[in-house]
Amino acid sequence: GQNIDQPTEMTATEGAIVQINCTYQTSGFNGLFWYQQHAGEAPTFLSYNVLDGLEEKGRFSSFLSRSKGYSYLLLKELQMKDSASYLCAVTSGGGKLIFGQGTELSVKP
Amino acid sequence: SAVISQKPSRDICQRGTSLTIQCQVDSQVTMMFWYRQQPGQSLTLIATANQGSEATYESGFVIDKFPISRPNLTFSTLTVSNMSPEDSSIYLCSVLGRSNEKLFFGSGTQLSVL
Repeated sequence: GQNIDQPTEMTATEGAIVQINCTYQTSGFNGLFWYQQHAGEAPTFLSYNVLDGLEEKGRFSSFLSRSKGYSYLLLKELQMKDSASYLCAVTSGGGKLIFGQGTELSVKP
Repeated sequence: SAVISQKPSRDICQRGTSLTIQCQVDSQVTMMFWYRQQPGQSLTLIATANQGSEATYESGFVIDKFPISRPNLTFSTLTVSNMSPEDSSIYLCSVLGRSNEKLFFGSGTQLSVL
C-alpha cells in the first residue's frame, strides 16, 4: 500500500526554526517533493529530493533518507507569511504524485 | 516554470448538473494531470490526461463521472458529471515541467454543489 505520514499541525514563533517531518511507505520511489499551500491557493513547489542528503535553498532546506523512508523540511528565520499548509509528496515516476495529508503550520509573533 | 490558466476559478452548481473545467498552459507539455482536493484534505490524483487518447484514471475514478479531453499539448478539460454535494472540492490541473521533475499547479477551481 501507499502511506505518507506527516503531523497534522505545528505552531512556531516568528524568527525561530521549525522542522516538519514526513515518513513514507510506497510501492515505488523516484523522489520526494515538498509543496507550500496557502489557504485558498494552489500548491507551490518548494523542493525535490532524489538522493539522500540535505538540499538547501535560502531559508528552506529539505532532507531525505531513502533507506529510512524519511524526509524533513526545515524552515529557518520564520516569517508570518510562512503560515501555510506544507505537503509532502512521493513520486514513483511518470509525473504522478502521492500526497500526504499536509501539515498546517501557524507562525505566531 | 509553466503558466497554467484554469477556469472557472469557482462555481456553485445544482445537484445533477455537470461542470466543465478548462486548463490552458502557455507552452507545450507532455504530461497533464487532474487532482481533487476535498475540504480539509490533501490532493488526490484523478487521472492523467493523455493527448490524443483516453485519459488514464486512478482507482476510484471513472470516465463516466469525470470525462477528460486533451485535444493538444497545451489544453485539457475535466467534466464533473451528474454532480452531488460529495463532489464539492477544489479541482486542480497540473503539468510536469520541462525537466520532467517538478509538478506545477493551476490556480484551481473551487466547486460547491448544492
